[in-house]
Amino acid sequence: EVQLLESGGGLVQPGGSLRLSCAASGFTFSKYAMSWVRQAPGKGLEWVSAISGSGGRTKYADSVKGRFTISRDNSKNTLYLQMNSLRVEDTAVYYCAKVVEGYDSSGPQDYWGQGTLVIVSS
Amino acid sequence: QSALTQPASVSGSPGQSISISCTGTSSDVAGYNYVSWYQQHPGKAPKLMIYEVTNRPSGVPDRFSGSKSGNTASLTISGLQSEDEADYYCSSYTSSTTYVFGTGTKVTVL
Repeated sequence: EVQLLESGGGLVQPGGSLRLSCAASGFTFSKYAMSWVRQAPGKGLEWVSAISGSGGRTKYADSVKGRFTISRDNSKNTLYLQMNSLRVEDTAVYYCAKVVEGYDSSGPQDYWGQGTLVIVSS
Repeated sequence: QSALTQPASVSGSPGQSISISCTGTSSDVAGYNYVSWYQQHPGKAPKLMIYEVTNRPSGVPDRFSGSKSGNTASLTISGLQSEDEADYYCSSYTSSTTYVFGTGTKVTVL
């Protein structure tokens, strides 16, 4: 059974940093691209970033480019999102998601974690 | 990249069919057969219902179907059931090699 468990969310001041983690199990982690998707309170979904199975290819939404970095450690079956220069508008539940088989990096997400809440506020 | 446009709400009675539209541009929906649909119940993570316009993942009922014409994709739910009441989001691959989601549609079963 595929399981994705996010951690690392919390309260941070504007301009601060936070690193999210996503522990994956139930599938061969290194074979699949992975994504981060966020959802602000009461709002819709926003695609944030994606990474290839090897970690060699990454993609970012314009809203986070230059501030967020996606990475993975295939030896630990873990996905990361390093978030720097955080803004109030980055407040959201952040979901880790597995990409459908056959996609290099960006792709539809077939399994999702339960999300971790990030609040950016002074 | 602007969000794809969906109606805010759609409703129907049990057993009826409803359709949700998702309108984009030549840089996303019209340009690629990489449109997906997700269902999200309150307080839950999204669930993939359709990918690559028409493909259903294993376990998704065949009451759910997808289509596309030009810059507009559609999700049709046939034989509407109470458990179908949820928010639905479309998404599409874009010419920037990223993904974009739709604005979301609340489906109400009357």
